[in-house]
Parts: sequence; structure tokens; C-alpha cells
Amino acid sequence: DSGVTQTPKHLITATGQRVTLRCSPRSGDLSVYWYQQSLDQGLQFLIQYYNGEERAKGNILERFSAQQFPDLHSELNLSSLELGDSALYFCASSVEGSTGELFFGEGSRLTVL
Amino acid sequence: KNEVEQSPQNLTAQEGEFITINCSYSVGISALHWLQQHPGGGIVSLFMLSSGKKKHGRLIATINIQEKHSSLHITASHPRDSAVYICAAHRMYSGGGADGLTFGKGTHLIIQP
Repeated sequence: DSGVTQTPKHLITATGQRVTLRCSPRSGDLSVYWYQQSLDQGLQFLIQYYNGEERAKGNILERFSAQQFPDLHSELNLSSLELGDSALYFCASSVEGSTGELFFGEGSRLTVL
Repeated sequence: KNEVEQSPQNLTAQEGEFITINCSYSVGISALHWLQQHPGGGIVSLFMLSSGKKKHGRLIATINIQEKHSSLHITASHPRDSAVYICAAHRMYSGGGADGLTFGKGTHLIIQP
């Protein structure tokens, strides 16, 4: 158990819909990262938050957004969903904002039909 | 060309064999991670390296910053080591900041009894 909690574990929805994925980092970790893993693209970095502020941005689509709340949990919002958004979405946390050992959640599997 | 390249892509070996997985990167990094992903999806961080060598049980990770190369070794391999092993680099920018990870495509390792 990494200490990072992601919900929901599985989500099935239709094209055009909007979903929210939630991540609770390990106690004491200030940094949260979001990653997408799809069959064709592999793992890709989406976005990082550190202590409530956006720290770095990767290959995140404009239809996607994220935020980190004062209690340090984070949400990834995916809107106008397309079939190609079907993927595993991982959250990871670390103590440090720049580099540090990463602890991954079990992922949220999104299926868009 | 990907910024992080792994080899081999697939590796099948017999129980007890010494395993080596290689990772080369083409960008400046602040740290390199080795991750393990079992069927079913969960990701576990094995090592984070910025220089030298680290050992944990039967796993050894090395990095050569000058050659931009890292290796993951498994001694006395066991069927439970069967998994995907992923190399990921924390890129470093001239201002000293680092962003989220850039991932290799992974090495699918199967250890046969």
C-alpha cells in the first residue's frame, strides 16, 4: 500500500461527458502528479501541483484540468470525453516539489464508449 | 527519437538468470526512476537515482551521468519478478527546475520457472 488513494478505480462513461478523478496523496506529501497510460502512447506526464500551486505541465489537453485543494488532495477533470481518452490515469505523490521518491496510486481506469 | 529509450522491449529468461535492462536518455536530468508495473496495472517505484548505484534486495540500479545511461539488474531472477519495468527521467532545465517524468516504453520481463 503506497498510501496514495485514487477514486474511482473504474469508470465507464460516454463520449461528450465529463468526469472527475480524485487523488489523496500520502500524508505529508506536498506534490501531486497526474499521469495517463494508454496502450498506444504509454505513460505520459499530465500535470504537477505542489502545495496547491501548479508546478509543471506536460501533455495535458485543454479539455482536461486539475487542481490541488488546501487539504492537498487533487482532482483531475476530463471534459468533452473522446474514445481516445480511454486510459489508466495515475496519481503519484512526493514530499518534494522538484524531485523525490514517487508513490503511485493504483490508478483510475476510464473507459469512454 | 524518444528522449528516453529502453532495451530490450521484451525479455524472457529462466528462473535464476541474471537480468539486465538498459535505459538511455538524451536530455539533462535531475534524477532517474526505475518503476515496476505488474499485470493489473499498479506502479511501484523501485529506485530513484541521481548518481552512482543503489541496491535493494536482489535489485541493483546504476547510472552513468556522463554517458546518459542507466541499468537495472535483477540477480537470481524469480517468476514473481515478471512485470513491466519502466525507466523514467526527471528532466532538468537550465534554470534548475525539473518537470514531471518522461517515460521509456517499458521492458516486458517474463521469468519462466
